[in-house]
Amino acid sequence: DGGITQSPKYLFRKEGQNVTLSCEQNLNHDAMYWYRQDPGQGLRLIYYSQIVNDFQKGDIAEGYSVSREKKESFPLTVTSAQKNPTAFYLCASSISSGRIVDNEQFFGPGTRLTVL
Amino acid sequence: QKEVEQNSGPLSVPEGAIASLNCTYSDRGSQSFFWYRQYSGKSPELIMFIYSNGDKEDGRFTAQLNKASQYVSLLIRDSQPSDSATYLCAVNMDYGGATNKLIFGTGTLLAVQP
Repeated sequence: DGGITQSPKYLFRKEGQNVTLSCEQNLNHDAMYWYRQDPGQGLRLIYYSQIVNDFQKGDIAEGYSVSREKKESFPLTVTSAQKNPTAFYLCASSISSGRIVDNEQFFGPGTRLTVL
Repeated sequence: QKEVEQNSGPLSVPEGAIASLNCTYSDRGSQSFFWYRQYSGKSPELIMFIYSNGDKEDGRFTAQLNKASQYVSLLIRDSQPSDSATYLCAVNMDYGGATNKLIFGTGTLLAVQP
């Protein structure tokens, strides 16, 4: 089955700890994205990557870091510098052809992070 | 600031009726537009995308785009209780085509009453 997987589904963190959220895709998509969703709000872009070994900050990158060492994987680290990390984190991927017909993004099931 | 705006709702419609969801966007150069459905506690699921002015139909769903008015809508015919969810509008405002970055609205909560 082709798709995007995220793990864990639920994650609890103590204040001051760094945690890493996993995102893997087997869709052969070039581009991958991380979003954060807070209750009653839309999705806000944290980081995105269009190609291996390259990534760019989104609108709310402070307190987060990413890596893109493999095409299939785009892990997100939530650092202790992120002041309000409790949220629903969504990973997505898309073809990166430059054609508008390929713009759609497909989402993984999400990770719900709670800071205790 | 590039924006996508939606009425948060809830939009309540009776079963079998047509639900009309609306979205406006700020960047006139935007080229592609998406509707996602998100059930409570779940991730967004792509329903439709549109990039040409006019209507695009897929089953019970019709997306309508009016670039002159910077307006995109989603019509759901014969609404079912299973359609009850939050509907997210997303717009690709990078008309240079360099990225697939999407800007999301905050979503409209649809409640279909049996």
